[in-house]
Amino acid sequence: GNSVTQMEGPVTLSEEAFLTINCTYTATGYPSLFWYVQYPGEGLQLLLKATKADDKGSNKGFEATYRKETTSFHLEKGSVQVSDSAVYFCAPNWGGGSNYKLTFGKGTLLTVNP
Amino acid sequence: NAGVMQNPRHLVRRRGQEARLRCSPMKGHSHVYWYRQLPEEGLKFMVYLQKENIIDESGMPKERFSAEFPKEGPSILRIQQVVRGDSAAYFCASSPRRGNQETQYFGPGTRLLVL
Repeated sequence: GNSVTQMEGPVTLSEEAFLTINCTYTATGYPSLFWYVQYPGEGLQLLLKATKADDKGSNKGFEATYRKETTSFHLEKGSVQVSDSAVYFCAPNWGGGSNYKLTFGKGTLLTVNP
Repeated sequence: NAGVMQNPRHLVRRRGQEARLRCSPMKGHSHVYWYRQLPEEGLKFMVYLQKENIIDESGMPKERFSAEFPKEGPSILRIQQVVRGDSAAYFCASSPRRGNQETQYFGPGTRLLVL
């Protein structure tokens, strides 16, 4: 079946470091791809999304490009801040008959130290 | 425009009691989704509802769990005779339309603890 694999954490970085969190998915169809962020004790917020190949989603300095050839949607940020400390989830939506269902990765905990 | 609202934010129940979780979608959203997050895991889809209809409940345990989204009022996720394994965070999301490009907007969650 469809699945998504996220880089396991935890990830600990110093402020202003470069961030990459890997996300790959099974190559079944052409899903829409989402990154959500969960701050401590809160719900999930959409960080960015891309709905077709080669699209780049971006928000708050974060970017991710929909790579069909490698079935990947890696999250990047050039210079992280302490306030970026959170759990990040990659979540494809495969569409088709279940085009309402997000499938979440296990999440990657990011801690940014001053 | 208020976001998705969930209450209570925290709920403590003893084994065998009932838990009732409420979700008010964003204004203008008629599609509601419930997800469960077990400790240190990602979210798992439970159920998708539109007003007065359950569209897909394939992610819900077949016993003790039920969901509704009435014509008036919030969506309710009901867990009867709770057990310790039901302890989790339950998130509701809503969207204005159905489709794989649609963004789902999440509420703050209800954290259920079963003693």
